[in-house]
Amino acid sequence: SQKIEQNSEALNIQEGKTATLTCNYTNYSPAYLQWYRQDPGRGPVFLLLIRENEKEKRKERLKVTFDTTLKQSLFHITASQPADSATYLCALAPYNQGGKLIFGQGTELSVKP
Amino acid sequence: EAQVTQNPRYLITVTGKKLTVTCSQNMNHEYMSWYRQDPGLGLRQIYYSMNVEVTDKGDVPEGYKVSRKEKRNFPLILESPSPNQTSLYFCASSSPGQKGDTQYFGPGTRLTVL
Repeated sequence: SQKIEQNSEALNIQEGKTATLTCNYTNYSPAYLQWYRQDPGRGPVFLLLIRENEKEKRKERLKVTFDTTLKQSLFHITASQPADSATYLCALAPYNQGGKLIFGQGTELSVKP
Repeated sequence: EAQVTQNPRYLITVTGKKLTVTCSQNMNHEYMSWYRQDPGLGLRQIYYSMNVEVTDKGDVPEGYKVSRKEKRNFPLILESPSPNQTSLYFCASSSPGQKGDTQYFGPGTRLTVL
């Protein structure tokens, strides 16, 4: 069956460290993956997109990698801050299914001062 | 200001009483979607629309209807709500391009069906 899975456990890290979140998928052919941030009671906010022919994307302290052999995307936040505490969602867009987006269940990140 | 608006933000209703949640975007986006979010299940797509009069089922369409008569509006209709439709609902819009279908989400509608 088709699945997208993120770390189900909450991730607790110390301020200044690098947070690494995982998104694994099975039985999909993705055109691209996106990462979103969601704060409690709010709608998700887009952060980064990586296409299936790209290995890595960066934006300020954020970095996303995409390994289509492992069927995995990693999302890194370097020099993490308490303000980075939120739930992070990965979303996969299957090929040739314009408009369709499948989300993982999210990973809750907590950055302690 | 570019935004997606949803109304109402909170709604408590009873089983079987028809309701409509409105969604409007001011970014001239072609694509619009409805999602529901439940603890442990994440965001699940209910319906999506790629343009006016073009709609398609997402992963959990049962019990819902949508229409897209105008580009900016995409209402979600629950003809006969049931308690298992108690959830947090998000509308989103997007336009295909450099960022793919980057979804711009509304603030959410928290629905309780008693």
